[in-house]
Amino acid sequence: SQELEQSPQSLIVQEGKNLTINCTSSKTLYGLYWYKQKYGEGLIFLMMLQKGGEEKSHEKITAKLDEKKQQSSLHITASQPSHAGIYLCGAVLSGAGSYQLTFGKGTKLSVIP
Amino acid sequence: ETGVTQSPTHLIKTRGQQVTLRCSSQSGHNTVSWYQQALGQGPQFIFQYYREEENGRGNFPPRFSGLQFPNYSSELNVNALELDDSALYLCASRPSNTGELFFGEGSRLTVL
Repeated sequence: SQELEQSPQSLIVQEGKNLTINCTSSKTLYGLYWYKQKYGEGLIFLMMLQKGGEEKSHEKITAKLDEKKQQSSLHITASQPSHAGIYLCGAVLSGAGSYQLTFGKGTKLSVIP
Repeated sequence: ETGVTQSPTHLIKTRGQQVTLRCSSQSGHNTVSWYQQALGQGPQFIFQYYREEENGRGNFPPRFSGLQFPNYSSELNVNALELDDSALYLCASRPSNTGELFFGEGSRLTVL
């Protein structure tokens, strides 16, 4: 089974709507990273969370790490076509080396104008 | 702009050949790591270098090897290419004073 599960796998929303993407692990997450990827291109760094209960925001995107450090969510407010892409969560799992990230399979987001 | 540059962007090789992919990071980025991303999957960790020494390796065979140089550049070498090696190869680097990890645009390798 996948060590880091993302849900949903894909999402289609109307422009202006809010949405949430989840990232869950059965292991403790030591450092949780969110990236955005356009098809076939590199990963764009969005945010990094390290402490249980931590929350960070950048423009219309907010990411949270739960107190137990096993689940993170990414919330986009008032979505725009520019938010379309694949969102990936990556994490340092317990037992792994520092900065060795395990990734989920990604969530494909489409925003309809 | 991540400050991580990879080359080449695309290349095609045949089974059994060898390939070298290159990555250039910003000054002060002492840690560099390489990931393989197959189509429709998340990136998979290959290995990591810190100050020119390998200090972490994922579940990849020895025919995947790397080097890191003092000028913050690095290489990924793959010998005896197999069809399953076709993927996007991503280089990532980390500034010495933060935990943030920045990726390059990737090198798309096709093995025929």
